[in-house]
Amino acid sequence: EIVLTQSPGTLSLSPGERATLSCRASQSVSRNYLAWYQQKPGQAPRLLIFGASSRATGIPDRFSGWGSETDFTLTISRLEPEDFAVYFCQQYGRSPFTFGPGTKVDIK
Amino acid sequence: QVQLVESGGGVVQPGKSLRLSCAASGFRFSAYAMHWVRQAPGKGLEWVAAISDDGDYKYYGDSVKGRLTISRDNAKNTLYLQMNSLRAEDTAVYYCTRDPGGYPLAYFVYWGQGTLVTVPS
Repeated sequence: EIVLTQSPGTLSLSPGERATLSCRASQSVSRNYLAWYQQKPGQAPRLLIFGASSRATGIPDRFSGWGSETDFTLTISRLEPEDFAVYFCQQYGRSPFTFGPGTKVDIK
Repeated sequence: QVQLVESGGGVVQPGKSLRLSCAASGFRFSAYAMHWVRQAPGKGLEWVAAISDDGDYKYYGDSVKGRLTISRDNAKNTLYLQMNSLRAEDTAVYYCTRDPGGYPLAYFVYWGQGTLVTVPS
């Protein structure tokens, strides 16, 4: 099983600041099959990024993903008030498909 | 628009069974693989099971193999999860999710609102 580790656990920032979230895999993720999701309290997760760097439909371009093999990053260029949430990475290169524990982005 | 509506959750005693349903609309259900993903209260996400568009291929997470069974009825646009021999650690919100393709590629484009299953310890 591929274990995903996310850091930091919590990121405290102000609106307008840049957020950089890390996701590290215990083994190389095949074909960069890495996705990112956003989850707000009481809601289902929302797909942001797939294939490590492709934005899902309707996702603003302030969200960007990059990385390869074992190291991946999600960047939010300028935080909007609605971006404060928990972010999960997920690998789908090998079954079982696993998620990271999440990074909470909260308001400083 | 794509809608996934789960039902069937509730409180169930350890060792008992429960069947979850997910009613799909707004897309051609028979053309897409589907998944169940769960989230224990206050915890992270766990992929549970996947099924191909035609139902011929099924995949399971290690923690549920042999106890949970995914199935679908394309004529009814409905996904199911039969849950047997339930344990306290199965307590979670269960989400129905849609894959981007017909064979499970296994990222989750659309999500339902979830249904809560509680198994008391």
